[in-house]
Amino acid sequence: AQKITQTQPGMFVQEKEAVTLDCTYDTSDQSYGLFWYKQPSSGEMIFLIYQGSYDEQNATEGRYSLNFQKARKSANLVISASQLGDSAMYFCAMREGRGYQKVTFGIGTKLQVIP
Amino acid sequence: GAVVSQHPSWVICKSGTSVKIECRSLDFQATTMFWYRQFPKQSLMLMATSNEGSKATYEQGVEKDKFLINHASLTLSTLTVTSAHPEDSSFYICSALVGSGGRARGEQYFGPGTRLTVT
Repeated sequence: AQKITQTQPGMFVQEKEAVTLDCTYDTSDQSYGLFWYKQPSSGEMIFLIYQGSYDEQNATEGRYSLNFQKARKSANLVISASQLGDSAMYFCAMREGRGYQKVTFGIGTKLQVIP
Repeated sequence: GAVVSQHPSWVICKSGTSVKIECRSLDFQATTMFWYRQFPKQSLMLMATSNEGSKATYEQGVEKDKFLINHASLTLSTLTVTSAHPEDSSFYICSALVGSGGRARGEQYFGPGTRLTVT
């Protein structure tokens, strides 16, 4: 079974609008961490936001927020006030397992911001 | 944020030769580093976990004799692709774990990646 599922291969959003990128996960561990990374065309992976499985509040980092619904096992990324520089691939990832070292990535969503 | 560098950023080599890729944590010590492989328009696939001073842990299906990993210091891990073939052509990305590996929080910072082309 897929550990991380991102069902949107590509998304378009108008500049200054908000966009939600979907992510669902599958784990039997009680303690785990969820991440979102941005990968522009240059290839570098940029850390955006983190949500711990025991965190009661949704994580926020500037224009990024994570809509964490534990019972549904979803961790959607919300980008508010989209900017042209937000155009990139976005990957959802999960850390689980002993030592919390093993990280699994989803297949990614390509976001394009339209002027 | 923490800085991780990779060298080289791009390398072309002939089939049958070996290529070494370096991953350095520039402003922090990393007891754990990871090596990923990414094919075009695909996700990152974890190849191995590299722990300083011990043998790397390889993921299932990754040939440890082909992809040699050495984590000799707290700031340097190397990946050597031995006897490279065209199918080894890919984007290789390393990352370093910041903070305790025992907590789920430990942030992972990525290097800029190395594009390997084997002709």
